[in-house]
This record gives sequence, C-alpha cells and structure tokens, in this order.
Amino acid sequence: NAGVTQTPKFQVLKTGQSMTLQCAQDMNHEYMSWYRQDPGMGLRLIHYSVGAGITDQGEVPNGYNVSRSTTEDFPLRLLSAAPSQTSVYFCASRSPTGPSRYGYTFGSGTRLTVV
Amino acid sequence: DAKTTQPPSMDCAEGRAANLPCNHSTISGNEYVYWYRQIHSQGPQYIIHGLKNNETNEMASLIITEDRKSSTLILPHATLRDTAVYYCIVSGMAYKYIFGTGTRLKVLA
Repeated sequence: NAGVTQTPKFQVLKTGQSMTLQCAQDMNHEYMSWYRQDPGMGLRLIHYSVGAGITDQGEVPNGYNVSRSTTEDFPLRLLSAAPSQTSVYFCASRSPTGPSRYGYTFGSGTRLTVV
Repeated sequence: DAKTTQPPSMDCAEGRAANLPCNHSTISGNEYVYWYRQIHSQGPQYIIHGLKNNETNEMASLIITEDRKSSTLILPHATLRDTAVYYCIVSGMAYKYIFGTGTRLKVLA
C-alpha cells in the first residue's frame, strides 16, 4: 500500500494562475480532508469529504474548490492563486470503520509558493 | 468542537517521561480526545485517542481527568526521535478535526 500520495511535492505559481493539487489513497478510506499549514502555525482545515460525491467546507475554504468523484481521489483546486495561499498543503484520509478508524493517515505534503 | 489549550513548548531529558498537558474545559460528552504529532515538516502522525478512560498503546499513554476537562499525553521514555510538535484535538465528528497550534517538544540529549 502506498498510503496517501500527494503530487506535486513542490510548486511555484504566479499570482492569478490556477492549479490542482492531487491527492490519492489506496486504502479504501471514505473520509478525506485537505489542510494547509503556514510557517510556524498549526494545520487549518480547508475542505473535507465523507465519501464519493460528498464534500463540505472547513475553516478556510475561500479560494479553493474540491470534488470527490471516486473514493480514491480528492483533488484540491486553486482557482486564482494569491501570495496568501503560499503554504504547505496536506491531504489526509481515514476509514470510519475497522481498527484504524480513529487515526487519519496524512500525505507528505505539497509545498506551494505563489509569487 | 471544543477548543484546546496547550503550552507552546516543553523540554524533556532523553530517557525520561514526557508529560504533555492539554486543557479542553468545554468538551462535550460525545467528543473524543485525539493526539497527533508532527515531526519536522512531515505530515502529522496519529498517536492515541480516548473518550473517558485512560488509554495506552505502543507509542504513549493518555490520561483523561474524571471531569474530562483536561488530559495528559505521556511518552514513557522519550528519545531524540520524539522531538516534534504534539497536537491535542477534541472532536465529536470523526471526519472533521480542528488542529490548534500544539506543543513543541524538544527532547534533550
């Protein structure tokens, strides 16, 4: 199992550009989430999903869109990048059942810089 | 979700127990306490969780006070590899966690 895979690992965008951060998990987890982490800060929830076709907003959803067409994939789209979106983005997944149901598995992150 | 309060930083000598406190005085009856840690700039790692009873696993122990308003994560024999930021999270929704700023634990040789 690869766990939670995030691509790309690093990205530099110009202000106003759009892009999609990819997140894929191979553990058949129903719950998936996107977080951002600014330097020296804790993680803030952007969007989350409890299953295919179901998404909802977290603490800081503005400027981001998500979709969940399959259980495996949960892409995060930046509509028009701004310098304030410079951050490290983490994707996470978990199953609501089974022995691992209480612990989210996190990806290794995407480091995004907007200039 | 209940708000949590953690000290911003702590030091611990290698080989000693590290006791990390968390205050969650507004916790509701159906909310669990979860602990995660983040080593360097990696993705956070789940450590342990509990509802009202004390819990222990291969990584740590979790002590929750009887009134559930605070808890303590115990790393029984801290090593240098335990240097990390530790997050205490209280949530009644299994699919939605709100992270605070955590405690930066430094294990000293």
